[in-house]
Amino acid sequence: DQQVKQNSPSLSVQEGRISILNCDYTNSMFDYFLWYKKYPAEGPTFLISISSIKDKNEDGRFTVFLNKSAKHLSLHIVPSQPGDSAVYFCAASAHDSGGSNYKLTFGKGTLLTVNP
Amino acid sequence: ETGVTQTPRHLVMGMTNKKSLKCEQHLGHNAMYWYKQSAKKPLELMFVYSLEERVENNSVPSRFSPECPNSSHLFLHLHTLQPEDSALYLCASSQGSQNTEAFFGQGTRLTVV
Repeated sequence: DQQVKQNSPSLSVQEGRISILNCDYTNSMFDYFLWYKKYPAEGPTFLISISSIKDKNEDGRFTVFLNKSAKHLSLHIVPSQPGDSAVYFCAASAHDSGGSNYKLTFGKGTLLTVNP
Repeated sequence: ETGVTQTPRHLVMGMTNKKSLKCEQHLGHNAMYWYKQSAKKPLELMFVYSLEERVENNSVPSRFSPECPNSSHLFLHLHTLQPEDSALYLCASSQGSQNTEAFFGQGTRLTVV
């Protein structure tokens, strides 16, 4: 049973437009959420994160929105650039009984293609 | 020099072979991880080491054996693997255990024949 779901395997947008990547989760204990970007033949690289005490976090062209009641988060990229073309993974973690949150649970990823 | 380095980048091994994957981090982090990425599946956490002690073993078969001799190095020893173990194996590191992002290596593409 997948606890983190990225229901769109792919997304295609025009350069300059907004890209919206979506992620849903089922575990209400998740309290920290991250987005990673992955280019072919490279490992995932951290992009942006958000704690459950916030509903928005912005870093340059990237904004993550969190809707706890809907158990939904989204990544907005605006304006989109061809170099943003990559697989984007949503990940979530929850504190364990010891107070640590090592374990990241990942979604399957969404392939974003930004067309020039 | 990248923060997290994995070797080899590609590995083909027979089911009776013994091989090891190596990971080295140069970021001064105190936690290291092994993840497995199979085709069309999410990244799966295999093992976590914090301060050189294993803190997570995610029901991984015993044919995968991790080793963390110090906070900068992590190994994954492989023996008698199955073809379904073919995947991308990713190493990651992070600082601390509270809401910190993990930094990933480039991965080892493993093919078991």
